[in-house]
This record gives sequence, C-alpha cells and structure tokens, in this order.
Amino acid sequence: EVQLLESGGGLVQPGGSLRLSCVASGFTFSDHYMDWVRQPPGKGLEWVGRVRNKANSYTTEYAASVKGRFTISRDDSKNSLSLQMNSLKTEDTAVYYCARGDMDVWGQGTTVTVSS
Amino acid sequence: DIQMTQSPSSLSASIGDRVTITCRASQGISTYLAWFQQKPGKAPKSLIYAASNLQSGVPSKFSGSGSGTDFTLTISNLQPEDFATYYCQQSDSYPRTFGQGTKLEIK
Repeated sequence: EVQLLESGGGLVQPGGSLRLSCVASGFTFSDHYMDWVRQPPGKGLEWVGRVRNKANSYTTEYAASVKGRFTISRDDSKNSLSLQMNSLKTEDTAVYYCARGDMDVWGQGTTVTVSS
Repeated sequence: DIQMTQSPSSLSASIGDRVTITCRASQGISTYLAWFQQKPGKAPKSLIYAASNLQSGVPSKFSGSGSGTDFTLTISNLQPEDFATYYCQQSDSYPRTFGQGTKLEIK
C-alpha cells in the first residue's frame, strides 16, 4: 500500500524551530518529487514547497511566506522527507501534510502550533 | 503568482443531484489543473489531474473539464459521502496555488 506518514508536530514558541518528517512506503520514493502543503485551522490549503529527485539535483522551491525560514530535504536511503522550520511565527500554525509530487498521495498530516 | 478563484464558495444540494464547481485561473495554465476532495479532519484526496483525468479508483461520477483559464468539476448523482470541501490547484508554475475551496453541503 502506498503510504506517507508525517511526524514531528507540536507546540513551539514564536521564534522557535521544529523539524517535521515524512516517511514513505509502498512506492519508489527516490523517483518522485515531494511536496509539503499546510492548512491553517479552519482555512484552505497552502503549498509550502517542493524538493525534486536526484535526477533533478534535489533542487527546491518554496512559497514566499516561508522562503529563508523553512528548508525541505530528503534522504532517499531512508525513504524520508523533512521540513526544517526556523524563526516560526504564529501564522505558521497549521496542519502540515507531505504529498507525493503530483499530489496524488497525501499523508495524514501533523499539527504545528506556534504560540507563547 | 497565479490566483485561483472558485465559485461558488458554498453550495447546498440534495441526494441524487448533479452539481458543477467552477475554478478560474488569473492567467492561462493550459490543463495544469487538479481537483481535490477534503472531508473534515482528513487529508485531501486527489480526484482529477490534468484538468480531466480521473485518478485511479475515483468513481466516474466525478468529471473535470476546461483549459486555459476556466475549469469545471462536475459531480453527478450526489451521495452522502460526496458532501465535502473541494479545491482546485494549478501546477503550471511556482508557487503552486489552490482555490479557496467550495463547501458542498446537504440541502
């Protein structure tokens, strides 16, 4: 079964850092681009960023709202995707989903709350 | 950035009805358009990619059409499990952007 499983969410103070992880199974992870998408409470979906595959040099793209603060990386040997979030703001509070590159497969999400 | 605008924002319909949701892009995106369904507390589910292609396992009651700037998602013979929020999303350029969502409710 194709599956993505996120972890690492929690409560963090403004200005703090948090690292989210997403582990893939059931497909050849290394072949695919991978995305992060977030959803603030009661609001719509917002694309956070993407990491491409090895064939495309693991290059990344980011939304303007997170560029310079968030870093997406991957470890193909562990079928793992990461989102390092620094300088967190209250407006980063959301459920964070990882998704396979064409967004045809989504994880169940992990909740990040930024509050003092 | 490409802005995606869905209409209506909410929609009431009855079991057995056929409904259409519209998505408009602020500039042409060819057929780089996807539709997602999301139920409360759950992750989004991919329904349609490339404007009109059904994802594997998605019932044929869902259909998509359009190209350029105007797109539609049609759902026929509404059943209780179809009442959810629907989002369009463009994959023509970065940043990827979603519509604001259309909440489909039971009348």
